[in-house]
Amino acid sequence: DTAVSQTPKYLVTQMGNDKSIKCEQNLGHDTMYWYKQDSKKFLKIMFSYNNKELIINETVPNRFSPKSPDKAHLNLHINSLELGDSAVYFCASSQGRSMGTQYFGPGTRLTVL
Amino acid sequence: AQTVTQSQPEMSVQEAETVTLSCTYDTSESNYYLFWYKQPPSRQMILVIRQEAYKQQNATENRFSVNFQKAAKSFSLKISDSQLGDTAMYFCAFMTRGSGAGSYQLTFGKGTKLSVIP
Repeated sequence: DTAVSQTPKYLVTQMGNDKSIKCEQNLGHDTMYWYKQDSKKFLKIMFSYNNKELIINETVPNRFSPKSPDKAHLNLHINSLELGDSAVYFCASSQGRSMGTQYFGPGTRLTVL
Repeated sequence: AQTVTQSQPEMSVQEAETVTLSCTYDTSESNYYLFWYKQPPSRQMILVIRQEAYKQQNATENRFSVNFQKAAKSFSLKISDSQLGDTAMYFCAFMTRGSGAGSYQLTFGKGTKLSVIP
């Protein structure tokens, strides 16, 4: 059984479009994250939710809007896509707000043309 | 600001040999966790090993072990009996307090690309 899953795995779209990436975890965790991995493989936190409450919101354009319908899901919606948004986006989850191990999804490779 | 530095962008090792990947970090906190994640060509981020800063004993997971030097802020990963499946990017990560109240987040190094040669 997949612990943290993301859909789609690949997303190719035109500039200016709006797209969403979905994330689900079946680990029973209450904290979920979005990370962005750029073309140089550098990973950086974007958002974190704990029990559907936004607790981390790093310097990310407001075109990116996370949505957590319940604690098992954290979706990422991106408006007006730009070339620079091309990257791999990883969802992760952990238990609690403490220093628990974060488990990652398989990543979504977004390509903006 | 918390930083994680991996000074070796690329490394290679012969199959069955031992290799050590280096990682240093900078923090003023006393309680934290450190992690090594592996990212093979499949892109999946896989936890390799973790170390709690309050533990003096170095963590070990099968062929993987760490050399944690808290005073030196060093956290190296040793891979023994290297196997072809160990070929991957390896990321050192440091668990820090996040920007939100009561939150924690991972700060990653830039990675070391390890190639295991048959």
